Amino acid sequence: GQNIDQPTEMTATEGAIVQINCTYQTSGFNGLFWYQQHAGEAPTFLSYNVLDGLEEKGRFSSFLSRSKGYSYLLLKELQMKDSASYLCAPSDSNYQLIWGAGTKLIIKP
Amino acid sequence: ETGVTQTPRHLVMGMTNKKSLKCEQHLGHNAMYWYKQSAKKPLELMFVYSLEERVENNSVPSRFSPECPNSSHLFLHLHTLQPEDSALYLCASSLREPGTGANVLTFGAGSRLTVL
Repeated sequence: GQNIDQPTEMTATEGAIVQINCTYQTSGFNGLFWYQQHAGEAPTFLSYNVLDGLEEKGRFSSFLSRSKGYSYLLLKELQMKDSASYLCAPSDSNYQLIWGAGTKLIIKP
Repeated sequence: ETGVTQTPRHLVMGMTNKKSLKCEQHLGHNAMYWYKQSAKKPLELMFVYSLEERVENNSVPSRFSPECPNSSHLFLHLHTLQPEDSALYLCASSLREPGTGANVLTFGAGSRLTVL
């Protein structure tokens, strides 16, 4: 079967660094997406990894290891506005996204 | 404004009502999607219209009926819903290119549905 596992909730301090992990099992693989969703708003695209390694985009970086079925999203210099849910979604052999339940990130001053 | 517009934003309906959700995109995308989002659960793909074909999740009840009259508009017709259908219904669109995985979805803000 297909399965996505990510922590339900994490708490971090403003200005710090946090890493949100995601492990996955899918039928085939065509890359992995991370989306951010603020409460009451639409999910918005953050990153897409299809090859192993780290992709850096400003304060956010995303890592992929295909052999381990593992990805993480790294957020640096946390700001209060980063409080949101972060959704991990690998793409399967039919290019359909398989969604995790999301990690709710709480930032404290 | 995300480029994908959904109406209404909030809808309360009885189990015997018939209503429709509307989605519109002007991004030039060629695929549109309906997702259901319930609290603390993964996004559930309901329907996809892509490259002139429709794909559906076989677990979606027949009381949900999609309609896609053109590549910019998508509807979800609702009838005789149940209280457990209360959720946030998200529309999304993307520019699908055959054989590539970089299919970035742009979501609408959602329609919050409450079934009494």
